[in-house]
Amino acid sequence: DAKTTQPTSMDCAEGRAANLPCNHSTISGNEYVYWYRQIHSQGPQYIIHGLKNNETNEMASLIITEDRKSSTLILPHATLRDTAVYYCIVIPGNQFYFGTGTSLTVIP
Amino acid sequence: GAVVSQHPSWVICKSGTSVKIECRSLDFQATTMFWYRQFPKQSLMLMATSNEGSKATYEQGVEKDKFLINHASLTLSTLTVTSAHPEDSSFYICSAKPPTGYRGDEQFFGPGTRLTVL
Repeated sequence: DAKTTQPTSMDCAEGRAANLPCNHSTISGNEYVYWYRQIHSQGPQYIIHGLKNNETNEMASLIITEDRKSSTLILPHATLRDTAVYYCIVIPGNQFYFGTGTSLTVIP
Repeated sequence: GAVVSQHPSWVICKSGTSVKIECRSLDFQATTMFWYRQFPKQSLMLMATSNEGSKATYEQGVEKDKFLINHASLTLSTLTVTSAHPEDSSFYICSAKPPTGYRGDEQFFGPGTRLTVL
């Protein structure tokens, strides 16, 4: 079962930063937080992952709270192509259990 | 790198027939592959975990005799939907996990296969 909760939907203006929150209050010490996104009728695409420290790559930044009970994915300059469903996943071992995700709509 | 393909992209079949979906890791060896199912406007649901050379592990509520999984090589896993019925119509997605140590527990997902059973 999914161990994360996310808002169902969010809007973001094109060019602005999109901040997508995720709650994972039952996360264990050795469990990573992964973020994927799924554009309509495609397979999920990896965005970023982290354990304790904040992470940044060419796509996004991941901010994890000190107690690790929540995290925020930041898309610094959202474009129309970032419209997708974003999934926050906590990995208890091998399997990925997807929650409902956040449907992000980037508005022109 | 780390590309996963699926074949076919979409398939339409008659009720009662069987359909095979292939999942291939193109540029890495995957000891573990996963199969998911996604109904419209819903999230991905893990169906089974497939390990090369051994029997698949099915999630609770997934009929192993209906959804046959074979992981015969390190780059290929197949899902066969036997005696398909309209309620099996769905988007089937596979993923593959590279060997231990590659970017943690990341899975690489295929593009999905749209199955429509008439």
